Amino acid sequence: GAVVSQHPSRVICKSGTSVKIECRSLDFQATTMFWYRQFPKQSLMLMATSNEGSKATYEQGVEKDKFLINHASLTLSTLTVTSAHPEDSSFYICSASGLAGAYEQYFGPGTRLTVT
Amino acid sequence: EDQVTQSPEALRLQEGESSSLNCSYTVSGLRGLFWYRQDPGKGPEFLFTLYSAGEEKEKERLKATLTKKESFLHITAPKPEDSATYLCAVQMKWAPPSGGGADGLTFGKGTHLIIQP
Repeated sequence: GAVVSQHPSRVICKSGTSVKIECRSLDFQATTMFWYRQFPKQSLMLMATSNEGSKATYEQGVEKDKFLINHASLTLSTLTVTSAHPEDSSFYICSASGLAGAYEQYFGPGTRLTVT
Repeated sequence: EDQVTQSPEALRLQEGESSSLNCSYTVSGLRGLFWYRQDPGKGPEFLFTLYSAGEEKEKERLKATLTKKESFLHITAPKPEDSATYLCAVQMKWAPPSGGGADGLTFGKGTHLIIQP
């Protein structure tokens, strides 16, 4: 149980284009989904928290107009990186919680974004 | 400011050589402390949640403990397949004054563990 998937696993895009990353909870309903970013040799940094059907809550310093989050159902959240630039290149990881009311977060396998 | 500090940054052990990883935290209102394992290029894999001082949890060769200031991840008789980066994270009871969500995790930088055969 508690499986989270992400798609795509890797994406390369040109500067100025937009990229959408999907996060799905496969075997449970996720009341809350989270998006993290991890730069090389650094730890995970929380970008935003999203609850199904509501607007996402962004962490300080994260541009909400650049990183669009949609959490349309209890099993799917999407992160769209708009007008991507090389400095947005990173490892984006989602997590989901809501399994039996526990606080644990289960992470997806991550998406490696490279902006050229 | 809430902080999570892990030590050592890296640890190299011989197979079967037991040791402990440390995670010290300073947060105003701890809801839970989490341990994860992360392999290169992959997402973190959940290991343990600890909620209150004195709590202990075990899974195979791993045992996690919690005090009011720190947590330890003890690894007993490790095997090469235990090699990974071990991450500690805290979850707060309420949102920080700077804004953002209360339920997100604040991670330490991790301990890179290498078990040599």
